[in-house]
Amino acid sequence: QKEVEQDPGPLSVPEGAIVSLNCTYSNSAFQYFMWYRQYSRKGPELLMYTYSSGNKEDGRFTAQVDKSSKYISLFIRDSQPSDSATYLCAMTDRGSTLGRLYFGRGTQLTVWP
Amino acid sequence: SAVISQKPSRDICQRGTSLTIQCQVDSQVTMMFWYRQQPGQSLTLIATANQGSEATYESGFVIDKFPISRPNLTFSTLTVSNMSPEDSSIYLCSVPTAGGIGEQFFGPGTRLTVL
Repeated sequence: QKEVEQDPGPLSVPEGAIVSLNCTYSNSAFQYFMWYRQYSRKGPELLMYTYSSGNKEDGRFTAQVDKSSKYISLFIRDSQPSDSATYLCAMTDRGSTLGRLYFGRGTQLTVWP
Repeated sequence: SAVISQKPSRDICQRGTSLTIQCQVDSQVTMMFWYRQQPGQSLTLIATANQGSEATYESGFVIDKFPISRPNLTFSTLTVSNMSPEDSSIYLCSVPTAGGIGEQFFGPGTRLTVL
């Protein structure tokens, strides 16, 4: 079993739709959860960062962490064509080296006008 | 934020040859990381490169295959040695941000195809 599972999609939605992206994980020691966005032929860029359980909102984006279920989500409201990208979930624990991130495979999202 | 550049941006190589990828950061950083992103697979950490010490490799990656240099606080190289088609991948370098644990800036990546 992989440490982090993420449905790779692809996911295709119309502009304005609500998008839900999800990851599950197996390591209960994970405490720091991230969503990175990666445009085609670019490096990943940090989109959302959450510590422990709960919700975090930033504009049209909401990140949710449910540690009891080992499940994290990213919601995109009023999706735009510019949101078309691959979304990578990532996580780590306090004991890891600063670089030891565990990534999901990424979900490819297309938002069509 | 940090600005990271990588060279080359892409290359096509023959099996059995080696390719050295460069990573340049616009500010001094202690730690730099090298990742591999294989098609359809998770982004995977290859090694951590600290200036002035040997790189630390993750399980499944060895120095003979992926030698790393870190001559100063703004630069690092990763060499992919004796390449095979299985090495076809995107290779990315990254540096930690001043933010939370796990936050990193990534370079644009080097897209490698091995024939």
